[in-house]
Amino acid sequence: GAGVSQSPRYKVAKRGQDVALRCDPISGHVSLFWYQQALGQGPEFLTYFQNEAQLDKSGLPSDRFFAERPEGSVSTLKIQRTQQEDSAVYLCASSPNYSNQPQHFGDGTRLSIL
Amino acid sequence: QKEVEQNSGPLSVPEGAIASLNCTYSDRGSQSFFWYRQYSGKSPELIMSIYSNGDKEDGRFTAQLNKASQYVSLLIRDSQPSDSATYLCAVNGDTDKLIFGTGTRLQVFP
Repeated sequence: GAGVSQSPRYKVAKRGQDVALRCDPISGHVSLFWYQQALGQGPEFLTYFQNEAQLDKSGLPSDRFFAERPEGSVSTLKIQRTQQEDSAVYLCASSPNYSNQPQHFGDGTRLSIL
Repeated sequence: QKEVEQNSGPLSVPEGAIASLNCTYSDRGSQSFFWYRQYSGKSPELIMSIYSNGDKEDGRFTAQLNKASQYVSLLIRDSQPSDSATYLCAVNGDTDKLIFGTGTRLQVFP
C-alpha cells in the first residue's frame, strides 16, 4: 500500500511567485493535515480537512496561504506572492478517521524562496 | 498557547544503553500522545502512540504516560547507532491537529 505522496519534493521560487504543493493521502484516509517545519523546529500545524471540508485553518500564517481538497482526496496548498520567510518544509499527513488516530506523514516538499 | 516542551539535546548514549527521552505538555485536556522519529532530511515516522496512563511497550521502545504530571517519556532499550535521529513528541490539540515539541536529538555512539 502506498503511503502519503507529496510533490514536488523540492521547489525553488523567486520572491513574489505563486507556488502550489500537492498531497495525495493514503487511500481511504478521511483526515488530512498540512504542517510547516522550519529548520531545527518541530512541525507546526497549518490546516486540517475532514473529507472535503476544511475544519481548521487557524495555523495558516496569512491570507497568502490557501488550501483545498475539493473531492476529499488529493489536497493542494497554494502560497501566493511568496516571501523568503515561507521557505520551509511543508509536510502533509493523513489519518484514517475522525478520532485521534496516528497521523502518517509524506516525505514533504522543501520550499526555497530566493 | 498550548505547548509541548522537550530538551533539544543532543542526548548522547553509548551503544547498548537505554536512552530516555522526556516531554511535558501544557493542555490537561490532551488525550492522545505520539512519538515520531525524524532522520535528517526525512519526514517524521510514527514509532509509538499512547492514550492512557502507564507504560506501553513495542519491541525496544517503551512509552510512558503520566497525565497527572502532564509528562510523556520514551525509553529506547539496547540503543543502536541507527537510532540516532531527532525524536519528536506530539500531543493532540483541538480538531485533531498535533502540537509538536522541538524534538530531542539522540546520538548513539559505538
